[in-house]
Amino acid sequence: DIMLTQSPLSLPVTPGEPASISCRSNQSLLHRNEYNYLDWFLQRPGQSPHLLIYLASNRAPGVPARFSGSGSGTDFTLEISRVEAEDVGVYYCMQGLQTPFTFGQGTRLDMK
Amino acid sequence: DVHLVQSGAELKKPGARVKISCKVSGYTFSANWIHWLRQAPGKGPEWLGLIDPEDGETSHAEKFEDRLTITADLSVDTAYLQLRDLRFDDTAIYYCSTGESTVPLPTGRFDFWGQGTLVIVSS
Repeated sequence: DIMLTQSPLSLPVTPGEPASISCRSNQSLLHRNEYNYLDWFLQRPGQSPHLLIYLASNRAPGVPARFSGSGSGTDFTLEISRVEAEDVGVYYCMQGLQTPFTFGQGTRLDMK
Repeated sequence: DVHLVQSGAELKKPGARVKISCKVSGYTFSANWIHWLRQAPGKGPEWLGLIDPEDGETSHAEKFEDRLTITADLSVDTAYLQLRDLRFDDTAIYYCSTGESTVPLPTGRFDFWGQGTLVIVSS
């Protein structure tokens, strides 16, 4: 199975400041079709996970423009340009290149 | 609007089986694959498997061997997950999820999620 490693695991952020989360895979997630099969999710407390970014850099419908994804191959990053209070929760990366799809350990973002 | 509504919480004994339903609305049920995932207490999500409701094609994580069955009933727009021989570490919130299938994502994005079904395995 593909393993994903996220860092940091905990991320205290001041509202209005930027935030960045890293996700590294032990195998390349670049398909021969040139897409990277890496998604990002946010899980707010007590809620189901919510898709933010798919195929490494595409914002899901309705996701604010302050969220962006980048990277290719084995190294990926989720960036929030200016963190807002509603961004609190646990962020997960997930690879969809091969089954079983697998997730990173999660990064808990909270407000300073 | 797309909605996925799951069945209620379950309390089961070790060795029993559980069947969870996921009723969809707001789109043509046969058009999108349905994924099943779970999340143990304090852990990240774990992908379990998926089904194409149109023809019943399924795939699931090998770790479940033959304990896991995923089905779909087109007549009631509902997908089901059945897990047999329950163990204590099957205690988790189980989710269904779906999204539009596209060329680079034939099994769909994880756009829409059910509310989750809590399964507790306890003696």
